[in-house]
Amino acid sequence: AQKITQTQPGMFVQEKEAVTLDCTYDTSDPSYGLFWYKQPSSGEMIFLIYQGSYDQQNATEGRYSLNFQKARKSANLVISASQLGDSAMYFCAMREPWSDSNYQLIWGAGTKLIIKP
Amino acid sequence: ETGVTQTPRHLVMGMTNKKSLKCEQHLGHNAMYWYKQSAKKPLELMFVYNFKEQTENNSVPSRFSPECPNSSHLFLHLHTLQPEDSALYLCASSQKIPRDTLNTGELFFGEGSRLTVL
Repeated sequence: AQKITQTQPGMFVQEKEAVTLDCTYDTSDPSYGLFWYKQPSSGEMIFLIYQGSYDQQNATEGRYSLNFQKARKSANLVISASQLGDSAMYFCAMREPWSDSNYQLIWGAGTKLIIKP
Repeated sequence: ETGVTQTPRHLVMGMTNKKSLKCEQHLGHNAMYWYKQSAKKPLELMFVYNFKEQTENNSVPSRFSPECPNSSHLFLHLHTLQPEDSALYLCASSQKIPRDTLNTGELFFGEGSRLTVL
């Protein structure tokens, strides 16, 4: 079964509008972490924001916020006031323990976001 | 100097060639990773090294051979590759964190090596 699901393969958004990128996850472990990364055309994966499963409040980093709904197992990324430079692939990932001392990241398939001027 | 540096950025090789990808991190991290990114597929974890010791090999074919001489350097040696091995190979590093920690342990990535196998 898919662990991380990003249902939007691509999105077009007008510049300055807010955008929500969807991510749902599946895990039975109570301790996990959720990440969002941005990958511009240059190839580098850029860390954006993190939400821990025990965090009481939604994570925020500048224009990025994470809408964490634990009961629904969703961790949507919200970008406020989108900019042309936000055009990129966006990946949701989940950190899940795979041993007593190590963990792995499970990745979604990504959403291609294009900001229109 | 960027945190994680990968060379070369682009590589074209024949199926009989031997080449290597190099990754160097300047972040003082103790874990390094190789990922494969193919078109329209999620990132695939290939290898994990913690403190220079390989701790994960995700059923990767033997034509890919990793080497981690120290905690700052990671290599991926390539030989007799197939055209389906063409992909973006991403190196990442992180601080190894214990389970049930509040630390994020996020990965820091290089810009990747775009490999084309003819």
